[in-house]
Amino acid sequence: NAGVTQTPKFRVLKTGQSMTLLCAQDMNHEYMYWYRQDPGMGLRLIHYSVGEGTTAKGEVPDGYNVSRLKKQNFLLGLESAAPSQTSVYFCASSYLTPNTGELFFGEGSRLTVL
Amino acid sequence: DAKTTQPNSMESNEEEPVHLPCNHSTISGTDYIHWYRQLPSQGPEYVIHGLTSNVNNRMASLAIAEDRKSSTLILHRATLRDAAVYYCIPRGTPNAGKSTFGDGTTLTVKP
Repeated sequence: NAGVTQTPKFRVLKTGQSMTLLCAQDMNHEYMYWYRQDPGMGLRLIHYSVGEGTTAKGEVPDGYNVSRLKKQNFLLGLESAAPSQTSVYFCASSYLTPNTGELFFGEGSRLTVL
Repeated sequence: DAKTTQPNSMESNEEEPVHLPCNHSTISGTDYIHWYRQLPSQGPEYVIHGLTSNVNNRMASLAIAEDRKSSTLILHRATLRDAAVYYCIPRGTPNAGKSTFGDGTTLTVKP
């Protein structure tokens, strides 16, 4: 049981390049989330999804796009990377109801934009 | 969305109990209070959650105020491995998707 898997774990981009981060979960969770964490800061919600084919904006969605074509996968895209997007990105998933809805996190993807 | 307030940092001695407070005065009646911790260079991990009653599990205890405007995470005997950033977040339908974290409390455990 792999839980939540993020790929890649490390990536260096030049300003203006594009890339996609992949999050995969094998727990049949309805909810999936993308967070970013800057040094010394807490996690900020970028986008989230409440089910296959649905996405919604979080606290800091600008500069990012997401897709949830399959229930187990949640993709985060940067169309034109900027140095301000240098951060550690965490994906999480959970069941639908908060009573059983603990968040399961991936190990993170460290992105550097030069 | 309910906002939370936590102290930026706390210190504890090893083997002593630690009480980590969280203020969530705007929490809605159906929001559960979740606690997570983040060890250095790792993703956050679930610790405990509750609605109204105090809760215990193998990792910690959660004490929830009667008015639900605050809660306290209790580590009964802190170890060096408990040094982490601790976050409390309200989670509830229909806004369970908007699970936002604050900056949390950085716990330092001294040997």
